[in-house]
Amino acid sequence: AQSVTQLGSHVSVSEGALVLLRCNYSSSVPPYLFWYVQYPNQGLQLLLKYTSAATLVKGINGFEAEFKKSETSFHLTKPSAHMSDAAEYFCAVTFSGGYNKLIFGAGTRLAVHP
Amino acid sequence: NAGVTQTPKFQVLKTGQSMTLQCAQDMNHNSMYWYRQDPGMGLRLIYYSASEGTTDKGEVPNGYNVSRLNKREFSLRLESAAPSQTSVYFCASSVGSTGELFFGEGSRLTVL
Repeated sequence: AQSVTQLGSHVSVSEGALVLLRCNYSSSVPPYLFWYVQYPNQGLQLLLKYTSAATLVKGINGFEAEFKKSETSFHLTKPSAHMSDAAEYFCAVTFSGGYNKLIFGAGTRLAVHP
Repeated sequence: NAGVTQTPKFQVLKTGQSMTLQCAQDMNHNSMYWYRQDPGMGLRLIYYSASEGTTDKGEVPNGYNVSRLNKREFSLRLESAAPSQTSVYFCASSVGSTGELFFGEGSRLTVL
């Protein structure tokens, strides 16, 4: 079965520190991968997406993610955390051949401390 | 620039009551979706509509019905609400098969 796993339901970093949020997927077909961000009391918004072009994808707000096929991973990083990055982050995957349906991970809540 | 609009934003129901969540998008998207969000479970697809006139079940359709009223509007109905349906519900839309979804702000439903 196709699935997506986010390692760590809560991640806490200091302001200015590296942010690393982990995402792994299981699939036998090429995936389309996404990271969405949800700020408190808001809907989700797209942070970045991978659709089989460049493996290093840059998104909004200084975030980027690298698709590693050999590791079936799509980890999200940001070199220097800002207080405004505190939010919940969701990795999501959809697979070619299926209709446009996303499978979401359980989410990682990022806390940023001064 | 409204995007995806959901109503109501908050609702409290008693077990057995019915209600309809409304969703409208002004981006001329073909596809629309209803998700529910529960702590530690991410988002789970309830129903989706690939295009006007079609609807299909998602991962957790039991206890729900949907109507794709026209290209803009996609409603979710709970015929007989149960406490297990206490959740935050999100409507979303997309152009097609890119997988990029545009979400509404959510509707928080509590069933007592």
